[in-house]
Amino acid sequence: GAGVSQSPRYKVAKRGQDVALRCDPISGHVSLFWYQQALGQGPEFLTYFQNEAQLDKSGLPSDRFFAERPEGSVSTLKIQRTQQEDSAVYLCASSPEGGNTGELFFGEGSRLTVL
Amino acid sequence: QKEVEQNSGPLSVPEGAIASLNCTYSDRVSQSFFWYRQYSGKSPELIMSIYSNGDKEDGRFTAQLNKASQYVSLLIRDSQPSDSATYLCAVTGNTPLVFGKGTRLSVIA
Repeated sequence: GAGVSQSPRYKVAKRGQDVALRCDPISGHVSLFWYQQALGQGPEFLTYFQNEAQLDKSGLPSDRFFAERPEGSVSTLKIQRTQQEDSAVYLCASSPEGGNTGELFFGEGSRLTVL
Repeated sequence: QKEVEQNSGPLSVPEGAIASLNCTYSDRVSQSFFWYRQYSGKSPELIMSIYSNGDKEDGRFTAQLNKASQYVSLLIRDSQPSDSATYLCAVTGNTPLVFGKGTRLSVIA
C-alpha cells in the first residue's frame, strides 16, 4: 500500500480482555516501530524491529505487552489482560532505514479504550 | 534517561506572523533532531530534520540547532491558519526516537 496501515482504527475492550493490533508497513521498509500516545502527550517508544528481529523492547510497559513481526513485514502488538491505563492511541511507524533513524512514516494509529 | 522538553502551549500567533517553537534535550550524545507536525486526531508527520549546528531552511520552515546549549527550535514564517497543530520535537542518537510532549500552535486569522 501507499502508506502504513493499522487496524483496527478503534477498539473498545473490557478490562481483562486481550487485544491484538495490526500494522502493515510501507512495502520494503526495513524498520518498524510501535509507540504509545496518551491524550495530550507525545508518543512514547514501545519496541523496534529491524526486519523480523526485535532489536529493542525496552519501552514495553509490562510483560502483558508482546510484539512480533515474524516475516519481516506485518507486525502485531498484543496486550493481554488489558487495564484502564492501557487506554491510548497505539502508533506504528516504518522507515526504509535501519538503526535509530528519526525519519519515520506513521500510520493513523489504533485507538484503544479499556472500560 | 533521555528527555525532551517543550512548552505545551498553546502558542497563539496572528496570521502572517513568525511562530517560534523551542525544545531542549538532556542527552549530550544525541545526534539527530526532528520536528513532527500532528494535526488533531491525526498521526505525526515529519516536517524538518537537522543534524548539525546552525540553521536549516525549507520553505517557510527554519530549524535551528545549538548542540552546546542542547537547544533546537523551529521557526514558521508567514504563519497560516493551516499551520495550527501540535509540533513535536524528537531526538535520536544511541536510542530510538524520543519525542517531547509537543507544543500546540494556534494561528489566528
